[in-house]
Amino acid sequence: LAKTTQPISMDSYEGQEVNITCSHNNIATNDYITWYQQFPSQGPRFIIQGYKTKVTNEVASLFIPADRKSSTLSLPRVSLSDTAVYYCLVGQYGNKLVFGAGTILRVKS
Amino acid sequence: EAGVAQSPRYKIIEKRQSVAFWCNPISGHATLYWYQQILGQGPKLLIQFQNNGVVDDSQLPKDRFSAERLKGVDSTLKIQPAKLEDSAVYLCASSLDRAGGSYGYTFGSGTRLTVV
Repeated sequence: LAKTTQPISMDSYEGQEVNITCSHNNIATNDYITWYQQFPSQGPRFIIQGYKTKVTNEVASLFIPADRKSSTLSLPRVSLSDTAVYYCLVGQYGNKLVFGAGTILRVKS
Repeated sequence: EAGVAQSPRYKIIEKRQSVAFWCNPISGHATLYWYQQILGQGPKLLIQFQNNGVVDDSQLPKDRFSAERLKGVDSTLKIQPAKLEDSAVYLCASSLDRAGGSYGYTFGSGTRLTVV
């Protein structure tokens, strides 16, 4: 399984765009990149998944460079309710999810 | 669509006692997972079921933990006897298939276990 490295924590203010970068230098050819969000006292929630280039949905965008050794989750115009832990996961499509410690995002007013 | 249901929401037991957690996945989801999340850490997979068969239980402490998924729907996770280090949130998740589909896994809110 590819090892991932994320910042332990990040601070932002309401209305700003937040970019969380995940490093995965030994990503394999068949690996996908998936991001989950977890609020206190809740289970993780799927945000977005991608293989290469850019993926966008109603919640976030995922940017993956050509070498796929890193990825960036972009949250546009964050609000206080986006305060959560964000997990970057790398693995083959269909394989079990292996979570790291994640990034604690704190959004301030 | 109803989410993944788990009960109880909280449980406090003394060490060496036994405890059981229940999970009802989303209707039609063939794959079910139990994760353990210790405070400050990411969730760790304990066991994965495909229908009522075990796919992966490599990280399940089998001397004290057991899990079953009868009829391929509901699942129970049991700990007997509990240790202090078992204090954690136990999360159940389900997905349409092992790939997770377009929406990944759906997690329940978990059961917070405190062993004293």
